[in-house]
Amino acid sequence: NAGVTQTPKFRILKIGQSMTLQCTQDMNHNYMYWYRQDPGMGLKLIYYSVGAGITDKGEVPNGYNVSRSTTEDFPLRLELAAPSQTSVYFCASSTAGGFYEQYFGPGTRLTVT
Amino acid sequence: KQEVTQIPAALSVPEGENLVLNCSFTDSAIYNLQWFRQDPGKGLTSLLLIQSSQREQTSGRLNASLDKSSGRSTLYIAASQPGDSATYLCAVSNDYKLSFGAGTTVTVRA
Repeated sequence: NAGVTQTPKFRILKIGQSMTLQCTQDMNHNYMYWYRQDPGMGLKLIYYSVGAGITDKGEVPNGYNVSRSTTEDFPLRLELAAPSQTSVYFCASSTAGGFYEQYFGPGTRLTVT
Repeated sequence: KQEVTQIPAALSVPEGENLVLNCSFTDSAIYNLQWFRQDPGKGLTSLLLIQSSQREQTSGRLNASLDKSSGRSTLYIAASQPGDSATYLCAVSNDYKLSFGAGTTVTVRA
């Protein structure tokens, strides 16, 4: 199993550009998550999904959009990139919420200049 | 709102010394607590997961305790090695959501 995979690994965007961060898991997990990590900080939840077709906002959703058309994929869309979105983005998945362990992808390092 | 605090923010020890990393949280109604390791520029590696009904978990040189009522967890790493140098994050689960501390950056000097 590859687990949770993310593409790209690195990306530089200009202010106002848009992009999609890809996340795929092969563990048949229902729950998927997007977090961002700013330097010296813990991870903060952007969006999460409890199954195909169901998504909801986390702590810091502004400037982002998500969709979940399949169990495996959970892309994160950045519209009109801003310098404040410079961060490392992690995707995670779990069997369900609560008691279950979350498994993390390797991250995407994004710089907006 | 769950707040997770890790103290100290950084720690430097000589090789062979035992490491003690602390994590505290404000809302004791948690499902579980996870400890992660993060190497510079890398993703998160899960080290230990303690369910809310458990008091501790062990894996090799690592031992994590959980005192839910006081909102505290401690990660012990025995006989530290230079390869243990990394940032250690704790995260608590309330329902679907993980709340993370900012981490403790550990340097083990050879």
